Amino acid sequence: KNEVEQSPQNLTAQEGEFITINCSYSVGISALHWLQQHPGGGIVSLFMLSSGKKKHGRLIATINIQEKHSSLHITASHPRDSAVYICAVRSRSGAESRGGSQGNLIFGKGTKLSVKP
Amino acid sequence: DGGITQSPKYLFRKEGQNVTLSCEQNLNHDAMYWYRQDPGQGLRLIYYSQIVNDFQKGDIAEGYSVSREKKESFPLTVTSAQKNPTAFYLCASSIESGRVNTEAFFGQGTRLTVV
Repeated sequence: KNEVEQSPQNLTAQEGEFITINCSYSVGISALHWLQQHPGGGIVSLFMLSSGKKKHGRLIATINIQEKHSSLHITASHPRDSAVYICAVRSRSGAESRGGSQGNLIFGKGTKLSVKP
Repeated sequence: DGGITQSPKYLFRKEGQNVTLSCEQNLNHDAMYWYRQDPGQGLRLIYYSQIVNDFQKGDIAEGYSVSREKKESFPLTVTSAQKNPTAFYLCASSIESGRVNTEAFFGQGTRLTVV
């Protein structure tokens, strides 16, 4: 079982729809990241959160530490939101801490979102 | 403006040749990372560096080498020993490894195809 699981793998929506992408993880974490990867491949960091909720424009990210679950919501979706959305967690455990003392980033496989006009 | 620059964006090489991927950052970040991305898989850590002149193997270091002679630069060499080098390679950096919860910044990636 992967340490970070995302669902769904693929998502097609009509413009204007409310979208939710889910991320569940099985390790203790110090932070969770939501990333956006466009077709060209470059990755942009959308959110980094360790508790509660963050909002930026039409994007909202929430995290429930007890349930080890995070969601990324997109309100009023638009075709330009089409991308792969990646959840990544920074583990707290020393045994898993490759990548520096703050721990390695463990990535989900991504959710491919297509928003149709 | 600050950021991470990877070059080239696309790279083609013949099997058996070594190839070096460039990663430069002007964010004054101490920590830098190289990841590999394959279809249907999450990013996997190849090498990382917490400080100049120091680097550590990640999960899939075999067939790769790196150097960190300058803070701004962390080039990755894909050697002929790497069995399946065709992949998308991403470089990232973060401010310093001693601080928890620091944001990671990513480059635009290099797509390497070995023929």
